[in-house]
Amino acid sequence: DAGVTQSPTHLIKTRGQQVTLRCSPISGHKSVSWYQQVLGQGPQFIFQYYEKEERGRGNFPDRFSARQFPNYSSELNVNALLLGDSALYLCASSLDRGRETQYFGPGTRLLVL
Amino acid sequence: GQQLNQSPQSMFIQEGEDVSMNCTSSSIFNTWLWYKQEPGEGPVLLIALYKAGELTSNGRLTAQFGITRKDSFLNISASIPSDVGIYFCAGQLWDTGTASKLTFGTGTRLQVTL
Repeated sequence: DAGVTQSPTHLIKTRGQQVTLRCSPISGHKSVSWYQQVLGQGPQFIFQYYEKEERGRGNFPDRFSARQFPNYSSELNVNALLLGDSALYLCASSLDRGRETQYFGPGTRLLVL
Repeated sequence: GQQLNQSPQSMFIQEGEDVSMNCTSSSIFNTWLWYKQEPGEGPVLLIALYKAGELTSNGRLTAQFGITRKDSFLNISASIPSDVGIYFCAGQLWDTGTASKLTFGTGTRLQVTL
């Protein structure tokens, strides 16, 4: 079975632009979580979605938003990009939102100039 | 955002040596996980721990869930070159009706020399 897939793999944007990142979970997984990993640090939790509803949000501004579709895939949107948004954005899927193990995709590397 | 305290920050060891790293938190978690990340990749799960005091092995890797639920350690025995990478601990706190988020450590970078 395919693992978590993310697109695009790399992206370059300029300050003020908007970006949309995509994630497809492992088949059968209903929960998707998004994390931001700045160079040299561990991933930081942004959102968790389960059954198309937001179940939790980390300490990120409202410029960050996400949604989950009926097929459980997800999009992360970031508006009004700042230089500090440059990071690896990771998507993780799990069977549900509880104690189930989260499996990560390869990430989308975003560079904001 | 919050990050768990992970040590050491980096390690340079010779092939065949044993490795030990640990992770501490000021908060309690009900699951501890250890991930490995290589350049250009997402974190890959190595070991998951679900009970305080639990000791779990996966091949040459052994991890323990601290009895206070605020710490965990990972040991790698007889290291080999493919063990190179960044190792992250992660604490998971979950409850019915709430998000199940992972809080990651700062990472331990492992380099193995021949």
